[in-house]
Amino acid sequence: KAGVTQTPRYLIKTRGQQVTLSCSPISGHRSVSWYQQTPGQGLQFLFEYFSETQRNKGNFPGRFSGRQFSNSRSEMNVSTLELGDSALYLCASSRTPLAGATLETQYFGPGTRLLVL
Amino acid sequence: KQEVTQIPAALSVPEGENLVLNCSFTDSAIYNLQWFRQDPGKGLTSLLLIQSSQREQTSGRLNASLDKSSGRSTLYIAASQPGDSATYLCAVLRAAGNKLTFGGGTRVLVKP
Repeated sequence: KAGVTQTPRYLIKTRGQQVTLSCSPISGHRSVSWYQQTPGQGLQFLFEYFSETQRNKGNFPGRFSGRQFSNSRSEMNVSTLELGDSALYLCASSRTPLAGATLETQYFGPGTRLLVL
Repeated sequence: KQEVTQIPAALSVPEGENLVLNCSFTDSAIYNLQWFRQDPGKGLTSLLLIQSSQREQTSGRLNASLDKSSGRSTLYIAASQPGDSATYLCAVLRAAGNKLTFGGGTRVLVKP
């Protein structure tokens, strides 16, 4: 069974540009979450999508946006890039949404490392 | 607001020694707690998941305990090996949905 895949793996952009990252979840997984990892702030939740709808959103500016397609693949977009957006962006998928205290682990992809110059 | 803390931030032990990693969280209203491993520049690998109703989970040399009332979890790794060198992260799932709140991680080095 293939794992979570993310493309591209590495990206270099300049300030002011925009970028789109892609995430393909494990087959059958309908929930996709995005996280940003930086040395200073650690891992922070960006947003979660389920059935093409954003269900949860973290505390990030509107420059960060995302979407999910009918096949559960997800993209996130960052517009007007800033130096501080340099980070490892991770996506995670899970099979079902949380229902009560249902046991459900999230599976993470290898990440996309974004460098903003 | 849920806050998750991991102490120490870094740990170095000789091969064969048992590892004890700590995680504390401020809000005990959690659905579950997960321990992850991250190798440099890589994604996260799930190690153990403990439901809020459970006290511990075991997988091979790994054992994780959960004490919700005190807001603590501990990951034990028995007979450490150099291949256990990595950063270990704990994360709690609190609200409905799949939003994980992570600790800052403990970077472990197991010396041969």
